Amino acid sequence: NAGVTQTPKFQVLKTGQSMTLQCAQDMNHNSMYWYRQDPGMGLRLIYYSASEGTTDKGEVPNGYNVSRLNKREFSLRLESAAPSQTSVYFCASSRTGTVREKLFFGSGTQLSVL
Amino acid sequence: AQSVTQLDSQVPVFEEAPVELRCNYSSSVSVYLFWYVQYPNQGLQLLLKYLSGSTLVESINGFEAEFNKSQTSFHLRKPSVHISDTAEYFCAVTSPGGATNKLIFGTGTLLAVQP
Repeated sequence: NAGVTQTPKFQVLKTGQSMTLQCAQDMNHNSMYWYRQDPGMGLRLIYYSASEGTTDKGEVPNGYNVSRLNKREFSLRLESAAPSQTSVYFCASSRTGTVREKLFFGSGTQLSVL
Repeated sequence: AQSVTQLDSQVPVFEEAPVELRCNYSSSVSVYLFWYVQYPNQGLQLLLKYLSGSTLVESINGFEAEFNKSQTSFHLRKPSVHISDTAEYFCAVTSPGGATNKLIFGTGTLLAVQP
């Protein structure tokens, strides 16, 4: 089973460039999430989608946009990348949005903004 | 607001030795508590969770954690570690009935098991 698949695994951008991180899950999960992981700060939620057709801001949404393309796919877009967005990005999904359901994570995208 | 503290950023330990990874949370209300593990170059995986009932919860690979309400702690322990346990461990907290988007993660503890 593929689980949660993220692409690309690595990316280097120049300040001001744009890019989209792709995420797809094959578990028929309703809820999907984008986190960023920074040293000494743990994981912080950027955006989430409780169900197909809905998206909401998390703790650190500034500089990002998301699209829940369908039930399987949830993309994260950086319109104008900044060095502060250098981070490791994780997509995750869960069967529902209730906290009793465990999160399934992708293997991450390491993004460097120069 | 809830928060979770993992005081140790790194814990070095020799193989077959016991280990304890500390996690404290700040909340005056009921909580759900989780430990997630991140192996090198992988995403996080749920290790164990406390929702209610027995305060001692166990994972399939020998880890256990005890919910201690009076000390607001949820420390993770293993009596004998293996090289394969080398990973970063994240404690997380949220309120019962809350949504997953309200899950608060700690800053992580890197468990480095040495031969």
